[in-house]
Amino acid sequence: SQTIHQWPATLVQPVGSPLSLECTVEGTSNPNLYWYRQAAGRGLQLLFYSVGIGQISSEVPQNLSASRPQDRQFILSSKKLLLSDSGFYLCAWRLAGEDTGELFFGEGSRLTVL
Amino acid sequence: GQNIDQPTEMTATEGAIVQINCTYQTSGFNGLFWYQQHAGEAPTFLSYNVLDGLEEKGRFSSFLSRSKGYSYLLLKELQMKDSASYLCAVMDSNYQLIWGAGTKLIIKP
Repeated sequence: SQTIHQWPATLVQPVGSPLSLECTVEGTSNPNLYWYRQAAGRGLQLLFYSVGIGQISSEVPQNLSASRPQDRQFILSSKKLLLSDSGFYLCAWRLAGEDTGELFFGEGSRLTVL
Repeated sequence: GQNIDQPTEMTATEGAIVQINCTYQTSGFNGLFWYQQHAGEAPTFLSYNVLDGLEEKGRFSSFLSRSKGYSYLLLKELQMKDSASYLCAVMDSNYQLIWGAGTKLIIKP
């Protein structure tokens, strides 16, 4: 069966510090991968998605970046965090080619920038 | 612009029935999803509707009217564990998901 894990679960970082959130998927090949941010009282905001190794599409211009160094690994990074980067970050995957298929989410990472 | 509207919060009694509405205005339509999200956890898939009508899955049912841009999630025989946020999301013509802010459902004994 397929599983998705992301870490760390909770992170408290000072403004201006770097960020790295990791996500891995097991039990499937060539998944479509997604990074979302969820702010209180707002819908999920798509940040990045990837359909293959090294292929990253950015939906929102910001100081965050994403990379996919391996087929089932997706990393969200920042060189310098802003206060506005605080939020709940969710990694998700979907079977390639199933555009209307179910999204499977990781456990989430709660980021607080102070 | 694209918009998904759903109530912010609803309260219901254990054992009762509750209907959570979702209205949408999007650029095209390729289906509507409902997800459940317990506090501090990841969303989990509940249902997918792409044709008009009612889809029943155990205690949960989801309805869609494409002409009205409207869907609802019906929860029967409410249990305390149903206390969660329910997220409505619509897939637009570019197969991008547009998410509502979610409805927080509070179940009282």
